[in-house]
Amino acid sequence: NAGVTQTPKFQVLKTGQSMTLQCAQDMNHNSMYWYRQDPGMGLRLIYYSASEGTTDKGEVPNGYNVSRLNKREFSLRLESAAPSQTSVYFCASSDISLEPQETQYFGPGTRLLVL
Amino acid sequence: GQQVMQIPQYQHVQEGEDFTTYCNSSTTLSNIQWYKQRPGGHPVFLIQLVKSGEVKKQKRLTFQFGEAKKNSSLHITATQTTDVGTYFCAGRRNSGGSNYKLTFGKGTLLTVNP
Repeated sequence: NAGVTQTPKFQVLKTGQSMTLQCAQDMNHNSMYWYRQDPGMGLRLIYYSASEGTTDKGEVPNGYNVSRLNKREFSLRLESAAPSQTSVYFCASSDISLEPQETQYFGPGTRLLVL
Repeated sequence: GQQVMQIPQYQHVQEGEDFTTYCNSSTTLSNIQWYKQRPGGHPVFLIQLVKSGEVKKQKRLTFQFGEAKKNSSLHITATQTTDVGTYFCAGRRNSGGSNYKLTFGKGTLLTVNP
């Protein structure tokens, strides 16, 4: 039982390049989330998926797209990376059937540097 | 939108001293959660508080939820070097209908001098 896994762990991009961050969970959770973490800013929600087939914008969605590929996988895509997207990205999942008392399980993070 | 404010942003203590971080919401919460993130790591769930005035303890950690369900605190007694990390509170709005989103505070970074 690996929990939440993310790939890659580290990535360096040039401005304008695109990439997809992958996330998978093996806990049979229905809800998944993408956050970014910047120094002094805490965790900010980019997008979330309450259940398979649905996605919704969070606090800071501009410049990102997401795909809920199936129940296990939730990917985050940067179509044209910008230096402002340099950050640590965390994927998380939760069992929404426990709402409002479900907790979130986080992956190890992807550290992205955009030059 | 909902805001969750957390203070202080940083706290440096000598090992053995106590530590407290405070969390305040602009709206009434249905519950509040606390997470810990070790340096270089990812947030890990510590505890959830649901009831007005609730107090929970985990060894040296004491968590409180305010009577109005708009504030919370985490107190660590006699800090140890293993307590180093960033502590986040995360609140869920007390509104009708489903709301899957937690709003995280910016966190308090605790460093401990041995």
